[in-house]
Amino acid sequence: ETGVTQSPTHLIKTRGQQVTLRCSSQSGHNTVSWYQQALGQGPQFIFQYYREEENGRGNFPPRFSGLQFPNYSSELNVNALELDDSALYLCASKAGLATTGELFFGEGSRLTVL
Amino acid sequence: QQQVKQSPQSLIVQKGGISIINCAYENTAFDYFPWYQQFPGKGPALLIAIRPDVSEKKEGRFTISFNKSAKQFSLHIMDSQPGDSATYFCAASPRNNNDMRFGAGTRLTVKP
Repeated sequence: ETGVTQSPTHLIKTRGQQVTLRCSSQSGHNTVSWYQQALGQGPQFIFQYYREEENGRGNFPPRFSGLQFPNYSSELNVNALELDDSALYLCASKAGLATTGELFFGEGSRLTVL
Repeated sequence: QQQVKQSPQSLIVQKGGISIINCAYENTAFDYFPWYQQFPGKGPALLIAIRPDVSEKKEGRFTISFNKSAKQFSLHIMDSQPGDSATYFCAASPRNNNDMRFGAGTRLTVKP
């Protein structure tokens, strides 16, 4: 069974640029969530996708957008990067929509904005 | 955005001791309370979770105590081991909503 995989693992961008992060969900999982984890902080919920539709969103501006594909993999896109966007971006997947469903996290993509 | 307050920020325990991490929440709509363990360079992994209809849940050396009236819950790690050294996050998720809120984390160090 393949776990959640994310790419790239590290990347550096400059302010104003755009970035796309990718996530392959664990086999059998149709729900993908994205989280932002600033250094020394807990993860913050960005949004969730279920069967290719956004199914919940945290307190993040519209320049954070996403996609889920028919194979349940997902992308997180961030436009007009700001310095405060520097963080570890975590993807998590689970089977179904139940809030009590176990979330399986990837190892994250560390984004540095200069 | 954070609605879950976690303490302490860091904790040092001797091998064999008990590690206790506390969390408090505000939103009474929360009805699922997991604890996650994160090692450096890794994503968080679910350790143990509880629903508010029980006051305690034990899995091996890990126990969650839950106080609904006080809106507090805690993680107890019995017989702490150096391999338990990691960052621990409490979290809370509202009913019918997948916006899970995490605490700021506790860095646990277990000294041999």
